[in-house]
Amino acid sequence: EAAVTQSPRNKVAVTGGKVTLSCNQTNNHNNMYWYRQDTGHGLRLIHYSYGAGSTEKGDIPDGYKASRPSQENFSLILELATPSQTSVYFCASGGGLGASAETLYFGSGTRLTVL
Amino acid sequence: QQQVRQSPQSLTVWEGETAILNCSYEDSTFNYFPWYQQFPGEGPALLISIRSVSDKKEDGRFTIFFNKREKKLSLHITDSQPGDSATYFCAASANNNNAPRFGAGTKLSVKP
Repeated sequence: EAAVTQSPRNKVAVTGGKVTLSCNQTNNHNNMYWYRQDTGHGLRLIHYSYGAGSTEKGDIPDGYKASRPSQENFSLILELATPSQTSVYFCASGGGLGASAETLYFGSGTRLTVL
Repeated sequence: QQQVRQSPQSLTVWEGETAILNCSYEDSTFNYFPWYQQFPGEGPALLISIRSVSDKKEDGRFTIFFNKREKKLSLHITDSQPGDSATYFCAASANNNNAPRFGAGTKLSVKP
């Protein structure tokens, strides 16, 4: 069973603070993604990675950094958190072999509130 | 700007009816279109998908109809069940960039 684990599950941060959201996958997938989910916008792509050491900007990268230190781990970093970054963040992995190559496997999400 | 659009935003049907969820896209390089199902408190999970070389894909009660010329597709859920109540996302990706783009979702409620 494909597994993507996000931590923390919930986070409250203060404006201007640094926030790190973590994601770990045991699928041995090359690709990993960070999305945020907001009512009316669905899932929007923030950053993604094709493998360890690589990161790519998605559609809404401003205010976010990403880090892929290993095949298993992909972090999303908010250096200076703002209230507009209050959202639910989802990590996903993909790029497996065979018929499931293009399927994304999502974690359970991190609910971030920036006060 | 949303590369993938979905309608309606929310939909309510009675148990046993057919629910129709619509999706459209702009980028003609998109060639893979998965639909994801999301229950409250969970991450989305793949429900069914179609490639642009096909115009129909069926899996049990779930069917995708695809119109490449109009850049539109729809998900039909026949004999809807209360357990189908969830948010459904249409997504799209292209060979040259596999990062899928998602629509805003349709929240489906099935009343018993």
